[in-house]
Amino acid sequence: DIQMTQSPSSLSASVGDRVTITCRASQSIATYLNWYQQKPGKAPKLLMSAASSLQSGVPSRFSGSGSGTDFTLTISSLQPEDFATYYCQQSYNTRLTFGGGTKVAIK
Amino acid sequence: QVQLVQSGAEVKKPGSSVKVSCKASGGTFSTYAISWVRQAPGQGLEWMGGIIPIFGTTDYAQKFQGRVTITTDDSRSTAYMDLSSLTLQDTAVYYCARVALRGLIPDYFDFWGQGTLVTVSS
Repeated sequence: DIQMTQSPSSLSASVGDRVTITCRASQSIATYLNWYQQKPGKAPKLLMSAASSLQSGVPSRFSGSGSGTDFTLTISSLQPEDFATYYCQQSYNTRLTFGGGTKVAIK
Repeated sequence: QVQLVQSGAEVKKPGSSVKVSCKASGGTFSTYAISWVRQAPGQGLEWMGGIIPIFGTTDYAQKFQGRVTITTDDSRSTAYMDLSSLTLQDTAVYYCARVALRGLIPDYFDFWGQGTLVTVSS
């Protein structure tokens, strides 16, 4: 199975900060990489597919980049509603796998 | 609007089995994949397996091979996840999710159920 490694596992940031989360795949996955946001007690929400394609209704302060093995999710100006845990997920092959998650907390 | 509604919380004994259902509405059930993802308390997301109803094909994470069975009843637009030989480590919230297809390959999870808490306790 393809292993997905996120870093950092957690971070503290302030409203207005620029935040970058990294996701690394154990082999090349082209751009078959998706990002999710999860708030406590809720199901995950799809933010981005194909590494950089923003889902409808997701604010433009979220952006994604990368290909091959290295990917990033960037929040350009952190808002109070963005404090959550973020997961990457590969869809290169049929056995889908998630990264371990990055918790974004309030500083 | 697509909705996935899961069955209610379960409490099970070690060694038993659990079957969780996921009823879809508001979309074309058979033309997407359905996956099951679990989340142990305080832990991350773990893909267990999935099914493509229109083809009847299933795929399971190696970790759960032989212990999980995913099926659908297309007439009821409902998917099921059956997990056997439960241990305390299977205590988790179990989510079903609709998965968009890229050709025949499951891609991203676009709609999720509300989650079903399965507690395994002696």
